[in-house]
Amino acid sequence: EAAVTQSPRNKVTVTGGNVTLSCRQTNSHNYMYWYRQDTGHGLRLIHYSYGAGNLQIGDVPDGYKATRTTQEDFFLLLELASPSQTSLYFCASSEGARQDTQYFGPGTRLLVL
Amino acid sequence: GDSVIQMQGQVTLSENDFLFINCTYSTTGYPTLFWYVQYSGEGPQLLLQVTTANNKGSSRGFEATYDKGTTSFHLQKTSVQEIDSAVYYCAMRGKVVGQLTFGRGTRLQVYA
Repeated sequence: EAAVTQSPRNKVTVTGGNVTLSCRQTNSHNYMYWYRQDTGHGLRLIHYSYGAGNLQIGDVPDGYKATRTTQEDFFLLLELASPSQTSLYFCASSEGARQDTQYFGPGTRLLVL
Repeated sequence: GDSVIQMQGQVTLSENDFLFINCTYSTTGYPTLFWYVQYSGEGPQLLLQVTTANNKGSSRGFEATYDKGTTSFHLQKTSVQEIDSAVYYCAMRGKVVGQLTFGRGTRLQVYA
């Protein structure tokens, strides 16, 4: 079973604040993803990566940056947080093109005041 | 573009009721289709997947049939239990390598 961990699990910040969400996977998966989950919208892809140093834009990238520093670590950055970014954020990983199963972390709940 | 439609936002049932959750998809060709389940306080996890059109997938008593004629992948279970209460997501592998398109999710509440 793939292991994906996220930190912090909960975060409160103010409008205009700087937030970094961290994700680590320990199964040497090539692909990593950041999603946000909101009622009525389900899971929406923000950014993803298929390897260290790579970054791909997802469906809702505005206001977010991301960086994949190693095969294990993927970070989501909110440099000027806004209340509209209050959400539950999930990180996921998958082996890649031939194996689609995505393994999700436990989520980070972010509140922007 | 690619899309996955789940019209039911919430389904409420009693134990031993029959479950049916609608899912339709829109894309070209015959994509791999998935159902993910998310229990309270956890991330989504794979429930089942079907790679080949007109095949069935099954897991933990749940079943889904990939119907390419109606572009549907409905989820069903004959007799639900309270522990099945969760959010269920239909998903599709589209054209972009490594990327899935998720539906909006259906919250299932089962009462004992």
